[in-house]
Amino acid sequence: ETGVTQTPRHLVMGMTNKKSLKCEQHLGHNAMYWYKQSAKKPLELMFVYNFKEQTENNSVPSRFSPECPNSSHLFLHLHTLQPEDSALYLCASSQGLAGLFNSHEQFFGPGTRLTVL
Amino acid sequence: SQKIEQNSEALNIQEGKTATLTCNYTNYSPAYLQWYRQDPGRGPVFLLLIRENEKEKRKERLKVTFDTTLKQSLFHITASQPADSATYLCALGQNFVFGPGTRLSVLP
Repeated sequence: ETGVTQTPRHLVMGMTNKKSLKCEQHLGHNAMYWYKQSAKKPLELMFVYNFKEQTENNSVPSRFSPECPNSSHLFLHLHTLQPEDSALYLCASSQGLAGLFNSHEQFFGPGTRLTVL
Repeated sequence: SQKIEQNSEALNIQEGKTATLTCNYTNYSPAYLQWYRQDPGRGPVFLLLIRENEKEKRKERLKVTFDTTLKQSLFHITASQPADSATYLCALGQNFVFGPGTRLSVLP
């Protein structure tokens, strides 16, 4: 186990539903991330949080809404999704925020497999 | 435009041989580069990090090289085993950008 847990592991939702993905890290890290991994495409960074503050939103549609109440928890609220949003959503954490001179390996959770019907 | 490529989508090698995976990038200037392993249905797991001023890094049977002139990193697994079969991803450190991955299959 990597110390990063994600729930649920699988989620099927309709286009009009509202659901939330949860991520929790037990590593004492300060930075947390959401990634999207679609079939045949590279991992895409969605959001970055450092000390609970959002530092990056990678042009993600507003139907994805992140929330970071503390450094250990990260949520991704979903509403009115499209079928093309079906993917594996991965949460990751790192000791600090990676920068030009600070390298921090990322610890990933197992992901939530999302299917939008 | 910025681009990361990994040599092939899939690579098959015989057990005991050395697997060599390639990561090429354009229009980036990463201060470091990371390699991750991802098994089906699981998140990536960090393997190695190499900085721009390091030519080579080793960890057990793994070796990574980084050539900033060629804009290329090579990832080697020596004495490969079937348990090494997985998808391997390169990532440009401070940019949070991952390559598409190479699916390695080590055949017994």
